[in-house]
Amino acid sequence: AQSVTQPDIHITVSEGASLELRCNYSYGATPYLFWYVQSPGQGLQLLLKYFSGDTLVQGIKGFEAEFKRSQSSFNLRKPSVHWSDAAEYFCAVGGRDDKIIFGKGTRLHILP
Amino acid sequence: DAGITQSPRHKVTETGTPVTLRCHQTENHRYMYWYRQDPGHGLRLIHYSYGVKDTDKGEVSDGYSVSRSKTEDFLLTLESATSSQTSVYFCAISARTRGGNEQFFGPGTRLTVL
Repeated sequence: AQSVTQPDIHITVSEGASLELRCNYSYGATPYLFWYVQSPGQGLQLLLKYFSGDTLVQGIKGFEAEFKRSQSSFNLRKPSVHWSDAAEYFCAVGGRDDKIIFGKGTRLHILP
Repeated sequence: DAGITQSPRHKVTETGTPVTLRCHQTENHRYMYWYRQDPGHGLRLIHYSYGVKDTDKGEVSDGYSVSRSKTEDFLLTLESATSSQTSVYFCAISARTRGGNEQFFGPGTRLTVL
């Protein structure tokens, strides 16, 4: 079955610290992988995506993610977080059928 | 911004009443989706459409119906709303970008069923 697991419901980091949000997926074919961000009361914004090729992908707002096929993972990273990064982050997996499956989200809290 | 609007943006209704949510897109995309978002569940697919009058069920379709009579509009109907359908509803379109397809989301509709 296709699924996405985000093992951390909440993560708290200090402003300026590095960040890694975990994502593991189960998908029967070569996956398309996505990270979305949602600020309170807002819609979802695409941070970055992986379709093929280079397994380290760069996104907006200084985020990057690395696709590791052997670990079925697509973890999101940022070297130094800002207070404005406080939001909920969703990992998602899809394929050529134009449907994607979302994880349950990780809420990021930033300490001043 | 993929030109997606949703209406209404907020709605409060009573149990047992019918409710229709509208999603409108301006860029002629073939695929459209309705999701609901609930705390602890992420986004779950309700129904989707792959063309005019072509729709299919998603993960949580019970209690919902959809219609797509024009490319630009995708309607979600709750025939008889229940309190368990209190949620935030997002519409999305799928667009072909370099390498694959990605989804873009509307601003959402917050529905409260009393």
